[in-house]
Amino acid sequence: EAGVTQFPSHSVIEKGQTVTLRCDPISGHDNLYWYRRVMGKEIKFLLHFVKESKQDESGMPNNRFLAERTGGTYSTLKVQPAELEDSGVYFCASSQGTGPETQYFGPGTRLLVL
Amino acid sequence: AQSVTQLDSQVPVFEEAPVELRCNYSSSVSVYLFWYVQYPNQGLQLLLKYLSGSTLVKGINGFEAEFNKSQTSFHLRKPSVHISDTAEYFCAALYNFNKFYFGSGTKLNVKP
Repeated sequence: EAGVTQFPSHSVIEKGQTVTLRCDPISGHDNLYWYRRVMGKEIKFLLHFVKESKQDESGMPNNRFLAERTGGTYSTLKVQPAELEDSGVYFCASSQGTGPETQYFGPGTRLLVL
Repeated sequence: AQSVTQLDSQVPVFEEAPVELRCNYSSSVSVYLFWYVQYPNQGLQLLLKYLSGSTLVKGINGFEAEFNKSQTSFHLRKPSVHISDTAEYFCAALYNFNKFYFGSGTKLNVKP
């Protein structure tokens, strides 16, 4: 069974540009999460989808970030326009149900904004 | 506010020595605790988790952790480490069935 996949693995863009990150969860997992790790600090929650609905987006930094999950399958996270402080590693995770379920993480997308 | 603290950012240790990676969490009525490991260029992999029951939890690769409610700790231990254990380890807490709160990570460097 394929794990959580993320694309691209790395992205280098200039300040002001737009970047779109993609996450494909494990098949059958209704829950999809985005997290971010900035500059070696803790991994922080961004948002949580249940199928195609946003369950919790309390961690989204500002309105430059837009997350979507089309048809309850893959998800995209768009940053527009990107700022220097957006640099970091963006992780996606998925789980089958809610409750104390194990979340399965992807390898992350390393974003560098110059 | 919920939080997880990993006091050691880096832990150097010689091969075959024991190791303990420390984790403290903010107290809550309902909390579930996890340890994840990230090997270079890979995603986070679950090592072990505490949901309820026995406070000593055994995980993969010979790791174990003990849930200590009075000290709000969930330290990770291994009696004898290998070179292959070199990685970054993350403690995480799940409050109220919602999002994870992660510590800042501990880099374990196992030396020959």
